[in-house]
Amino acid sequence: DAGVIQSPRHEVTEMGQEVTLRCKPISGHNSLFWYRQTMMRGLELLIYFNNNVPIDDSGMPEDRFSAKMPNASFSTLKIQPSEPRDSAVYFCASSQTTGNTEAFFGQGTRLTVV
Amino acid sequence: AQRVTQPEKLLSVFKGAPVELKCNYSYSGSPELFWYVQYSRQRLQLLLRHISRESIKGFTADLNKGETSFHLKKPFAQEEDSAMYYCALSGPYSGNTPLVFGKGTRLSVIA
Repeated sequence: DAGVIQSPRHEVTEMGQEVTLRCKPISGHNSLFWYRQTMMRGLELLIYFNNNVPIDDSGMPEDRFSAKMPNASFSTLKIQPSEPRDSAVYFCASSQTTGNTEAFFGQGTRLTVV
Repeated sequence: AQRVTQPEKLLSVFKGAPVELKCNYSYSGSPELFWYVQYSRQRLQLLLRHISRESIKGFTADLNKGETSFHLKKPFAQEEDSAMYYCALSGPYSGNTPLVFGKGTRLSVIA
């Protein structure tokens, strides 16, 4: 397995544009997490899914952010419209729900909004 | 409330010196504690977890419930240990509950 796959690796966009970040979790994992990493705030949980169902989205900063998981192998995080303060590295992670298992992280998407 | 505190943003040590990265937590119940590491240009990866009680790359961490701490230690730092280190906690059955991270400590090992 190639691990958690995120795309794109880097995204530069203009303020006001829509941005879509993509994540493919590890096959067989049924929990998926989206995190945002900034210098000031570190790693913050945005939202997580169990069995494709959103469980907690209280970390989503504003209504401009939305996330979906249409099936077990794909999730998106969308920002519309994007703002410069959204610039950060966005990580996706996945894990199995049974037992005490570790979360595996993707390589992240570095988003720059200018 | 769940919270993880890493008081040092940056820790610089000389090669061969002992290392201790501090981590304190608050959680009502029995959390699972982890240390994750992020080397330059690499993804975040699990370094160790308290339930395993193992030493990885010479690092150890002991859960002290009285002090609510989970400090990461290594007796002799190596240059390749330079990285960003995150302490994290989750509820029991960590597979389906999210990790709560500290803000991280950047370890710089000087030759």
